[in-house]
Amino acid sequence: NAGVTQTPKFQVLKTGQSMTLQCAQDMNHNSMYWYRQDPGMGLRLIYYSASEGTTDKGEVPNGYNVSRLNKREFSLRLESAAPSQTSVYFCASSARDAITEAFFGQGTRLTVV
Amino acid sequence: EDQVTQSPEALRLQEGESSSLNCSYTVSGLRGLFWYRQDPGKGPEFLFTLYSAGEEKEKERLKATLTKKESFLHITAPKPEDSATYLCAVRGTFMIKAAGNKLTFGGGTRVLVKP
Repeated sequence: NAGVTQTPKFQVLKTGQSMTLQCAQDMNHNSMYWYRQDPGMGLRLIYYSASEGTTDKGEVPNGYNVSRLNKREFSLRLESAAPSQTSVYFCASSARDAITEAFFGQGTRLTVV
Repeated sequence: EDQVTQSPEALRLQEGESSSLNCSYTVSGLRGLFWYRQDPGKGPEFLFTLYSAGEEKEKERLKATLTKKESFLHITAPKPEDSATYLCAVRGTFMIKAAGNKLTFGGGTRVLVKP
């Protein structure tokens, strides 16, 4: 049982390049999330998807787009990477309509130069 | 807007030296307070969920408690393997459209337990 799987684990981009971070969960969860984690800032929500077919902005959505491809997969796209997007990105999932915990992937460490 | 503040930012303990971590929160209708452990280079790992004031949960050397304004994570007789960053998060009743389990996290407490 893999839980939440993120790819890639590490990535270096040049300013202006684009890329997509992939996330898949095998727990049949309805809700999925993308967070970024920066020193001194904690985990901040970028986008979330309450259920298949819906996505909503979180605290820091600027510069990002998301796609809920199906119930299992939730991708995060950087259209034109900026140094300010250097961070560690975490995908998470949780059951919907229940006060349950979220399960996190191992993270993607992204550096934009 | 939900807010979570954790203290201290960092904690150095000798093996066996018990201590407590604090998580203060403001939320519009608490629907759950969550504690996570995060090891370097890894994603947060779920520890506990607390739902109402007075509730307590235990797991090995960890015990989480909850009041109406804060939560404590007590570490009893810690071992070096308890070294990690401990994160607190809350879920309130504020909903955006068809929001799911949106969590607001604190900044974490880095715990180092020396042998």
